[in-house]
Amino acid sequence: DAGVTQSPTHLIKTRGQHVTLRCSPISGHKSVSWYQQVLGQGPQFIFQYYEKEERGRGNFPDRFSARQFPNYSSELNVNALLLGDSALYLCASSFTGDETQYFGPGTRLLVL
Amino acid sequence: AQSVSQHNHHVILSEAASLELGCNYSYGGTVNLFWYVQYPGQHLQLLLKYFSGDPLVKGIKGFEAEFIKSKFSFNLRKPSVQWSDTAEYFCAVNAGYGGSQGNLIFGKGTKLSVKP
Repeated sequence: DAGVTQSPTHLIKTRGQHVTLRCSPISGHKSVSWYQQVLGQGPQFIFQYYEKEERGRGNFPDRFSARQFPNYSSELNVNALLLGDSALYLCASSFTGDETQYFGPGTRLLVL
Repeated sequence: AQSVSQHNHHVILSEAASLELGCNYSYGGTVNLFWYVQYPGQHLQLLLKYFSGDPLVKGIKGFEAEFIKSKFSFNLRKPSVQWSDTAEYFCAVNAGYGGSQGNLIFGKGTKLSVKP
């Protein structure tokens, strides 16, 4: 079975640009969560979506937004990029009723 | 607010040594507890989890963890490490109720280096 997939794997942007990151959950998983992992830290929660609705939001500015599509895939958008947005962005999916999250390989974003 | 503390930033062991990585969390209610591992160049993988029941849980690759509620701890153990256990280990917690299940709180991670 395919795990969580994310695209692109790497991305380089400049300050002020926007970026869209994509995630496909494990088949049958309806919940998708996004995390930001900066070097030397553990992942930090950004958003959770379930059945296309936002179920939770972490302490991130409004420049960060996300959505979930009818096929349960998800996009994370970041506007007006800052140097500090450089990080590994992780997507995780989970099955309804199970709190276990399964992570994708991540998208490494570098903002210059 | 919930938080997770991992006491060791970097642990260096020789093969066959025993391992214990500390994890403490701050949250007074029901929690779900996880240990994830990130091998070099790979993505986060679930090692083991605790939701309820027997506080001693066994995971993959010979790892186990013990939930001690009175100490708010969930320490990871392995009796004999191998070079292939070299990785970064993350403890994570989420509140075991309501709509915030997606909110995993991670510790900063412990890097384990095993010398052959």
